[in-house]
Amino acid sequence: QPVLTQSSSASASLGSSVKLTCTLSSGHSNSIIAWHQQQPGKAPRHLMQVEGSGSYKKGSGVPDRFSGSSSGADRYLTISNLQSEDEADYYCETWGSNTQVFGGGTKLTVL
Amino acid sequence: EVQLVESGGGLVQPGRSLRLSCSTSGFTFGDYAMTWVRQAPGKGLEWVGFIRSKTYGSRTDCAASVQGRFTISRDDSRSIVYLQMNSLKTEDTAVYYCTRDQLLWFGEFTYYYYMDVWGKGTTVTVSS
Repeated sequence: QPVLTQSSSASASLGSSVKLTCTLSSGHSNSIIAWHQQQPGKAPRHLMQVEGSGSYKKGSGVPDRFSGSSSGADRYLTISNLQSEDEADYYCETWGSNTQVFGGGTKLTVL
Repeated sequence: EVQLVESGGGLVQPGRSLRLSCSTSGFTFGDYAMTWVRQAPGKGLEWVGFIRSKTYGSRTDCAASVQGRFTISRDDSRSIVYLQMNSLKTEDTAVYYCTRDQLLWFGEFTYYYYMDVWGKGTTVTVSS
């Protein structure tokens, strides 16, 4: 089954941009992944799914500041014009071998 | 509006059973796979298991950590998915979320599920 690797933490300044990375394990570099945001004390929320081609599709209501991309086994979530409400945990998720798998999550701090 | 509402959580002693429900509305429930995810206190998200739609036989798969103890079922007539948890352990303590899954096909043989709607969760505490 696939393994997803994420950095445990990231930080960026209010109004700047940040790019979070989710890396797929060997043999799964073409897999689609989904990004989910979990704000403090809240349930997760689906943001988008990103394909190996780099195309992405956002969920309803997700601000234009959020975008996705990919390169090889890496899938990215870019947040532009960071807002305070973007401070959250971000998880990537994928499917393989009849299993759904999450990355360990990245805690984003907005400075 | 698509809604998922979990219920049935609570405090339970180790070794006992509990059944969680996820009531849904705002979409054609029978067309979708549904997943259970949990989050232990201060930890990340953990996939518990999922159930495919009736089109795919309502087949289930579960994580190795709960295999043989947890069972997922669905009632398409009531738009509810269940998580039956038996032989509970202290390490099952978590917030349990249900999610709706989208199915994407790439060609004839390659497909992916991903979670696109989350409920607010229900808390399960296993303690003596």
